[in-house]
Amino acid sequence: SQKIEQNSEALNIQEGKTATLTCNYTNYSPAYLQWYRQDPGRGPVFLLLIRENEKEKRKERLKVTFDTTLKQSLFHITASQPADSATYLCALFLEYGNKLVFGAGTILRVKS
Amino acid sequence: NAGVTQTPKFRILKIGQSMTLQCTQDMNHNYMYWYRQDPGMGLKLIYYSVGAGITDKGEVPNGYNVSRSTTEDFPLRLELAAPSQTSVYFCASTSQGFEQFFGPGTRLTVL
Repeated sequence: SQKIEQNSEALNIQEGKTATLTCNYTNYSPAYLQWYRQDPGRGPVFLLLIRENEKEKRKERLKVTFDTTLKQSLFHITASQPADSATYLCALFLEYGNKLVFGAGTILRVKS
Repeated sequence: NAGVTQTPKFRILKIGQSMTLQCTQDMNHNYMYWYRQDPGMGLKLIYYSVGAGITDKGEVPNGYNVSRSTTEDFPLRLELAAPSQTSVYFCASTSQGFEQFFGPGTRLTVL
C-alpha cells in the first residue's frame, strides 16, 4: 500500500540547535516533494520544493534533501528559534491530476 | 491580492443538515483543491479541479459534492451532514501544480 510517514512524536530541541525532520514514503514515484509549515488554527504555508533529480535545496536557514533510492526526504532548520515552533508537513506531488499527498506532519518545539 | 478566502470560519451543523463551504481565489489559478484535516492527521484530498467546468474525486469524496463554474470559485457542498464530517476544511489553489496557496480553513462540527 502507499504510505507517507513523518516522525509521529513531537521534536523538542534547544534554541540554536539544528532541527532535522524526516519524511519517508513507499509505493509512490513523486516528481517532486514539498515542505509546508502549519501554525495552530491556520492553513499550511509553502516552504520549499525539491525535484527528484535534485539532491539538496537551501533557502536561508532551511535545507531539504531528497533521496529517491531511500525514498526519504530530510528537512533541516539550522540555528533554530522559538518562532520556528510549528507543525511541518511533507507532501509528494503526483503528476496525474496535479495532486499533493500529505504526511501527517511533525510538531517541532524550539525552547529558549 | 486577498489570496484564498474561505467562509464561514466556524459552523455547527445538526446531523442531516446541509451546507456549502465557500472558497474564492483571486490569483487566476487553474487548479483548486478541497482538503479535510482531522486532529493529528495529514490533509486528505476530498475533490479537486483543474479548471472551470472540470472536477474530480480525491481520496475521501463520499458525502461531498463540488462545482467549478468560474475560475475563482470552488464551493464544497455537504449533503446530509454526519458526525464523521466533523473536521477542519481547507481550500487551496495553484497555477502550475507547484506551490499550493491555502485558505484559513473552516472548522465544522456536526452534532
